[in-house]
Amino acid sequence: QITLKESGPTLVQPTQTLTLTCTFSGFSLIASGVGVGWIRQPPGKALEWLAIIYWDDDERYSPSLKNRLTITKDTSKNQVVLTLTNMDPVDTGTYYCAHKAVRGNWFDPWGQGTLVTVSS
Amino acid sequence: SYVLTQPPSVSVAPGKTARITCGGNDIGSKRVHWYQQKPGQAPVLVIYSDSDRPSGIPERFSGSNSGNTATLTISRVAAGDEADYYCQVWDSSSGAYVFGTGTKATVL
Repeated sequence: QITLKESGPTLVQPTQTLTLTCTFSGFSLIASGVGVGWIRQPPGKALEWLAIIYWDDDERYSPSLKNRLTITKDTSKNQVVLTLTNMDPVDTGTYYCAHKAVRGNWFDPWGQGTLVTVSS
Repeated sequence: SYVLTQPPSVSVAPGKTARITCGGNDIGSKRVHWYQQKPGQAPVLVIYSDSDRPSGIPERFSGSNSGNTATLTISRVAAGDEADYYCQVWDSSSGAYVFGTGTKATVL
């Protein structure tokens, strides 16, 4: 059974850097075809894909946020870390990590999500 | 960047059929995936690769994809199907994942 769980601060001040950790179980990030992605959702709005890291260390980022995002993995700890710099109130929302299927480019399952609020 | 457009809302009576569209340029050449999101919960995959159902998803959920439109069809709609639905594709030209604008499905 694959599970993922996000952790990190619930409140971040403007201009600070957000660091979120996704801790997973039930799969390995060294297995061919596997990936872990991050998706966020502002309150009442649509899902927005942020970044993904693959088993082979390939990283991809949302074009609109590329300059602010970094994704890394620690296979020994079964963790993926996302950092988002220069936080702004518009970055407020629920941040999800999710498992990318080996067989194709969809996400299943997802973590429960963590709500991050940007405010001074 | 690639854009996926969905109607903001659809309404359907219990027992009837709901159809949710997802529009994108030549989307028929891509694989489309659909997620259901109920209030306060994480999204759940309901259709992958245009028309395949994950284990545990009722046969009432089906999908199709052709031309510039992909469609999620929910047959014999029940109250428990009331949720937001999102389509998603992978854009091979950029390696980016793209989500649709989302559709709120209301059961009358």
